[in-house]
Amino acid sequence: GQQVMQIPQYQHVQEGEDFTTYCNSSTTLSNIQWYKQRPGGHPVFLIQLVKSGEVKKQKRLTFQFGEAKKNSSLHITATQTTDVGTYFCAGPSRGKLIFGQGTELSVKP
Amino acid sequence: NAGVTQTPKFQVLKTGQSMTLQCAQDMNHEYMSWYRQDPGMGLRLIHYSVGAGITDQGEVPNGYNVSRSTTEDFPLRLLSAAPSQTSVYFCASSRTGTSGGTYEQYFGPGTRLTVT
Repeated sequence: GQQVMQIPQYQHVQEGEDFTTYCNSSTTLSNIQWYKQRPGGHPVFLIQLVKSGEVKKQKRLTFQFGEAKKNSSLHITATQTTDVGTYFCAGPSRGKLIFGQGTELSVKP
Repeated sequence: NAGVTQTPKFQVLKTGQSMTLQCAQDMNHEYMSWYRQDPGMGLRLIHYSVGAGITDQGEVPNGYNVSRSTTEDFPLRLLSAAPSQTSVYFCASSRTGTSGGTYEQYFGPGTRLTVT
């Protein structure tokens, strides 16, 4: 079945440093979604990418969808302590949504 | 709108006991799903439903049953609890497109289950 792999599993950064997490699918995706989960909370939807090569920005967050629609990335510029949490990508597979393992981001002030 | 609600928030079971985790949504979403979250494993899909009366298995369905008698409710039943089912369980819902693809998932607050 389809697999969605995400790396790295953990990332520790100093406040102000940049952060990137990568998502790779074993099959071509019709779209990809990104979620953020704060410690002790539940996943919250951030964005959905649909088009090949699409790039979307939300303030300091930049999301990219690969040309082949099999990979995606989330880049955070100048991290802040409020960025702490786990970031998940998710792709559809035969009518259901499959999540990657997530990247846990910690930010040292 | 309350969104997606889950009960209970915490539960401790003994091995072999059964129980039902409740999930309800008031957004008239067709798609509902259950995930379990374990350290380092991400969110793994247990069961999902694309509408009332329709359910299907996800990645890790063994030991769990679901039913979808109404659009609003999607309970998850643990038939005979095992320590390996100790986890945080999330219910989620979304609307579906005409092609069957899913839109943004709305998650409930989760149920933290411990099986001793």
